[in-house]
Amino acid sequence: EAGVTQFPSHSVIEKGQTVTLRCDPISGHDNLYWYRRVMGKEIKFLLHFVKESKQDESGMPNNRFLAERTGGTYSTLKVQPAELEDSGVYFCASSQGSRTEQFFGPGTRLTVL
Amino acid sequence: GDSVTQMEGPVTLSEEAFLTINCTYTATGYPSLFWYVQYPGEGLQLLLKATKADDKGSNKGFEATYRKETTSFHLEKGSVQVSDSAVYFCALFSSGGSYIPTFGRGTSLIVHP
Repeated sequence: EAGVTQFPSHSVIEKGQTVTLRCDPISGHDNLYWYRRVMGKEIKFLLHFVKESKQDESGMPNNRFLAERTGGTYSTLKVQPAELEDSGVYFCASSQGSRTEQFFGPGTRLTVL
Repeated sequence: GDSVTQMEGPVTLSEEAFLTINCTYTATGYPSLFWYVQYPGEGLQLLLKATKADDKGSNKGFEATYRKETTSFHLEKGSVQVSDSAVYFCALFSSGGSYIPTFGRGTSLIVHP
């Protein structure tokens, strides 16, 4: 069974540019989560989808971040325009139920110059 | 709010040495406690967990005991291997409300032959 996959694995962009990160959850997992780890700090929750609906987006830092989940399958996280402080590793996770084990992807390392 | 504090890394050990990575937490109620591991180039994997006081989680030679009196969940292994080199994250899931984990900052472990 394929795990959670994320694309790209690395992205280097300049301040002011736009970047879109993609997450493909485990097939059949209705719950999809985005997290971010800024260098050396805690992994912080960004938002939670149940199917295509946003269940909780309390962790989204500001309106430069837009997450979507088309048809309840894969999800994208767009940062527009990117700022220096957006640099970090963005993790995606999925789970069958909202209170069951989350399976994490390898993360996308975003560097904003 | 909930918080998790881990010892600063990196922790550098020789193969077969004893490992302890300290983790303490602050939470209301009775959280569940977890250790995740991230091997190079891979996603976060659940290493072990404990859901109530005095429970011991164990996996792959690693152990951690849920100590409510000291609010701790220290990770230990009697004899580390080079293949244990990774980043280890302590996390808690609150006993009520959403099932979103609170993570520590992560501790990098480097094991030399």
